[in-house]
Amino acid sequence: GEDVEQSLFLSVREGDSSVINCTYTDSSSTYLYWYKQEPGAGLQLLTYIFSNMDMKQDQRLTVLLNKKDKHLSLRIADTQTGDSAIYFCAESITGGSYIPTFGRGTSLIVHP
Amino acid sequence: DGGITQSPKYLFRKEGQNVTLSCEQNLNHDAMYWYRQDPGQGLRLIYYSQIVNDFQKGDIAEGYSVSREKKESFPLTVTSAQKNPTAFYLCASSIRTGDLTDTQYFGPGTRLTVL
Repeated sequence: GEDVEQSLFLSVREGDSSVINCTYTDSSSTYLYWYKQEPGAGLQLLTYIFSNMDMKQDQRLTVLLNKKDKHLSLRIADTQTGDSAIYFCAESITGGSYIPTFGRGTSLIVHP
Repeated sequence: DGGITQSPKYLFRKEGQNVTLSCEQNLNHDAMYWYRQDPGQGLRLIYYSQIVNDFQKGDIAEGYSVSREKKESFPLTVTSAQKNPTAFYLCASSIRTGDLTDTQYFGPGTRLTVL
C-alpha cells in the first residue's frame, strides 16, 4: 500500500541548509515530488525525481533518493526567510491511476 | 496567463446549507481534482475527473458532489450531509491521469468555515 511519512516541523537559522526528509512504503513508486505551500495558498511544484535517478539539483534545491531505504530528502541551501512554508512530499506509483499520495507536510520555520 | 482559479477565497456557511466552490482552469488539462486539507494533515482526495462528463470518487467523497460539464470547470458542492466541512479546499489539474509524466498544478484554495 501507499504511505508517505514526514516529520511535522523543522526549524533552521537563516543562511543554514535545511534538510527535509520523507519516507515512502511502495517500492513501485515511479515519480516522487516536492511541493511548497505558503500560508493560505495552494501548492507549488518545486521539483520531482524519477525513480531511476539518485539525485537531482536545481539551483538551491537538491533532491536525494535512496531507493533501498525508500527515503527521499530535499536540501535547501542558504535557507532564507522566504523559504518558510510547508513542504509536501508525494509519490505516484506504477500501475495505478498515478494520482499522487501526499505526506502530511513539514513546516519549515526559518529564524534570523 | 495560464492557470487555475478558485473562488471565493473565503466562504462562510451556516449549518445545514449546501455550498458550491468554483474551480476553473485555462491550461487545457483533461484531468481535474479536488482535495481537502486540514491542519497537520496531508491532502485527501475528494473527487477527480479524467474527462468531461465523467468523474470518480476519491478517498473521502461522502457529503460532497461534483460535475464536469466543461473541460475548464470542475465545481465542488459541499452538502449538508458533510459532517465536518470546515477546511481548506484545493483544486488541481493535470494534463491527464494514467500517465507516468503527469504532474498536478494547484489553485490558490478556498477556505470554508461553517458557522
